[in-house]
Amino acid sequence: GDSVTQMEGPVTLSEEAFLTINCTYTATGYPSLFWYVQYPGEGLQLLLKATKADDKGSNKGFEATYRKETTSFHLEKGSVQVSDSAVYFCALSVPPTGNQFYFGTGTSLTVIP
Amino acid sequence: DTGVSQDPRHKITKRGQNVTFRCDPISEHNRLYWYRQTLGQGPEFLTYFQNEAQLEKSRLLSDRFSAERPKGSFSTLEIQRTEQGDSAMYLCASVLQETQYFGPGTRLLVL
Repeated sequence: GDSVTQMEGPVTLSEEAFLTINCTYTATGYPSLFWYVQYPGEGLQLLLKATKADDKGSNKGFEATYRKETTSFHLEKGSVQVSDSAVYFCALSVPPTGNQFYFGTGTSLTVIP
Repeated sequence: DTGVSQDPRHKITKRGQNVTFRCDPISEHNRLYWYRQTLGQGPEFLTYFQNEAQLEKSRLLSDRFSAERPKGSFSTLEIQRTEQGDSAMYLCASVLQETQYFGPGTRLLVL
């Protein structure tokens, strides 16, 4: 069935380090792909999305490219900040209606000064 | 603040009791979703509404669970005869163009 597999956490990085969080998916058709972020004590919020192959989503310095050939949507940021400490969830919605959403298990990121 | 509110934010109940949660979505969003999230896991789909119609239910949603969305506005999720395994965070999201706007969740603890 449709699913998302995320890199296991937790991840601890020093400020200004490069971040990659891996996400791969299994889906019928061509899903839309998302990264959601959950900051401590807050609800999930959309970080970025991509709706078709080779699209790049970007927001707040984060980027992810929809790679159909490798069924991946890895999250990257060139220089993390302490304020990026959060849990990151990869997700997909299933065509054709996009009515079902599947989330990964989440990757906890801690950035230390 | 995404504009989606949930009430209550926390609920402690004894096993066997019934509980009801409420979600108020963003008013112009016609799709509303309920999820359950346990520690260390991502949100798991429970059910969703298109306006007032409940269009899909997960296998996770046993017959002790029922959800409504009268008039296509707010929604309620009721759990009857709660069990300790129901302890989780219950999330609501309203959806526009495949983007989900999550509420803060209701954390349920069943003793």
